[in-house]
Parts: sequence; C-alpha cells; structure tokens
Amino acid sequence: EDQVTQSPEALRLQEGESSSLNCSYTVSGLRGLFWYRQDPGKGPEFLFTLYSAGEEKEKERLKATLTKKESFLHITAPKPEDSATYLCAVHPNNAGNMLTFGGGTRLMVKP
Amino acid sequence: KAGVTQTPRYLIKTRGQQVTLSCSPISGHRSVSWYQQTPGQGLQFLFEYFSETQRNKGNFPGRFSGRQFSNSRSEMNVSTLELGDSALYLCASSSKADTQYFGPGTRLTVL
Repeated sequence: EDQVTQSPEALRLQEGESSSLNCSYTVSGLRGLFWYRQDPGKGPEFLFTLYSAGEEKEKERLKATLTKKESFLHITAPKPEDSATYLCAVHPNNAGNMLTFGGGTRLMVKP
Repeated sequence: KAGVTQTPRYLIKTRGQQVTLSCSPISGHRSVSWYQQTPGQGLQFLFEYFSETQRNKGNFPGRFSGRQFSNSRSEMNVSTLELGDSALYLCASSSKADTQYFGPGTRLTVL
C-alpha cells in the first residue's frame, strides 16, 4: 500500500528563517511526486512535480528535491505570505490519476 | 485559461438527504478526479473519470458515485448523507496522466 508521511505537522518560523519540510514515501512504482500549497478554505495550488531521484526544482523562495525515499521542500528566507499548508502527494505507476497525499505541514511565518 | 470551477461552493444538508456536486475542468482537460478532504483523514481519493469512463475508484462506500459528460464536466453524487460526509470536496483536472489542477472545492455540511 502506498504511504506518504509529512513532517513536521506544524512549523513556526520567523521571517527570514530558512527551513525544510520533509515528505517520506513508500510506493510500488513512482510516476511522480507533487508538492501543493493550500491556503485555508481554498483548493490546493500546484507548486512542483518531481519525477526521478536527484531532480530539483525551484520557484522563488521554494526548492524541492527528491530521493528514492524522501522529498524535501526547502524554504529560503520565508515571508509571512508563505504561511500555508504544504501538501506532498505521490502518483504511482498504473494508477491512472490517483494521488496519495500526506497529511501536510502547516507553516506559519511570523514577521 | 480559466481554472477548474466547482459549484456550489457551499452546501448545507441534513442526514438522509442526497447531494450533487458539479465540476468544470480546465478547457481541453479530459481527466477529472474527485477528492474528499477532512481534518481527520486529510485528502482522500474518491474516483477518476476519463473520457466519460470511471478509470479508478478509491475506498469509499457505494453511496458515493460520479459521472462525466461528453464535454468533460463531471458530477459527483452522495446519497443517504451521514454526518461523517461533512467535508471539503475537491475536483482536479489534468490533460493526461500528469499534473492535476484543483478547483476551489465545495464545502458540504451535513446536519
């Protein structure tokens, strides 16, 4: 059974204090790993897709990396507007478009 | 391009009733997936439709059903509502077996 575990569940940072969010996964065959950002009361907003170990992608203050067992979302010098829940999801092979999500990390950035 | 739209945005129903939710995918996207999001269980996959055919189904009871029309719009139906069906119902569309883009969701409250 595919499983995704995200840690920590919640993270409080001061503005400018860099950190990383972790996503550990087990999947029979990985087609892709997704990162989404979700603001309260809204649908998840797509951030990145990673396909193979060693791959990295960046967008503004965010950088996502992938290994065979984990993915990290690095946040450099965060701002209060980066406060949100960050969701990780795996897309297994031979599963159509079914995504298995982790529980998310709730990030709060204080000014 | 317009994003994924979902209607209605909010619904209040009582136990035993049934409800129909609607999703219009991004233009050109033929795959539509439905997810249920609750504080306790997180985001869970309900089902996926592609070219009017259900391609995958999650582990939900038969009270949850869906369909897709020839224009790729999709509906999901929940019959005999239970208190535990209160959730944010999210629809996502994709062009192929790739990145899924989510709508804003329908917040269902069952009293």
